[in-house]
Amino acid sequence: AQSVTQLDSQVPVFEEAPVELRCNYSSSVSVYLFWYVQYPNQGLQLLLKYLSGSTLVESINGFEAEFNKSQTSFHLRKPSVHISDTAEYFCAVRPANSGYALNFGKGTSLLVTP
Amino acid sequence: ETGVTQTPRHLVMGMTNKKSLKCEQHLGHNAMYWYKQSAKKPLELMFVYNFKEQTENNSVPSRFSPECPNSSHLFLHLHTLQPEDSALYLCASSQDLRTQGTQYFGPGTRLLVL
Repeated sequence: AQSVTQLDSQVPVFEEAPVELRCNYSSSVSVYLFWYVQYPNQGLQLLLKYLSGSTLVESINGFEAEFNKSQTSFHLRKPSVHISDTAEYFCAVRPANSGYALNFGKGTSLLVTP
Repeated sequence: ETGVTQTPRHLVMGMTNKKSLKCEQHLGHNAMYWYKQSAKKPLELMFVYNFKEQTENNSVPSRFSPECPNSSHLFLHLHTLQPEDSALYLCASSQDLRTQGTQYFGPGTRLLVL
């Protein structure tokens, strides 16, 4: 089975500052990794995913995440955040070669203030 | 209308009531999912349907009864719920159950059981 640990439940940051949301996973098999974002009163939206290939993946709104197999991590970063990035961010993992169930972390609440 | 829609968005019910949650996807997908999102807990997968057939029941109490009449619609019938069942119920869909399939989420139904 796979599991995900999001080390920070809340991350407050000032606008235009950089941010890193941490995600570590545990698995005995190869995995696919995902970051989802949930804006207030909305469902989850896929932000980015790692399936294979380049370990650095990017989203269209400036976020990036790097798959680090040796450290079993998939941290999410953005060099300069906006007020509109305030949301809940969820890291998720699923096995690469079998199964379909996503295992989610508890989420990290990103609060961007002026 | 595109994406995954859920109705109602909010629901308050007593423990003796019977109600149903509805999910509809306009993406041409064949797999649909119900998740439960409780405060400060990881998303919990409840049920999975693939081509209208239930493929997973994740040890969900029988007071939750899913129904999938076709690949576009998914229902969650509720009866004699408990206060601890209060949560955000999220529906998701994916093309199928292939391991690389991305899941797309609806906005959720926020349920309060009194």
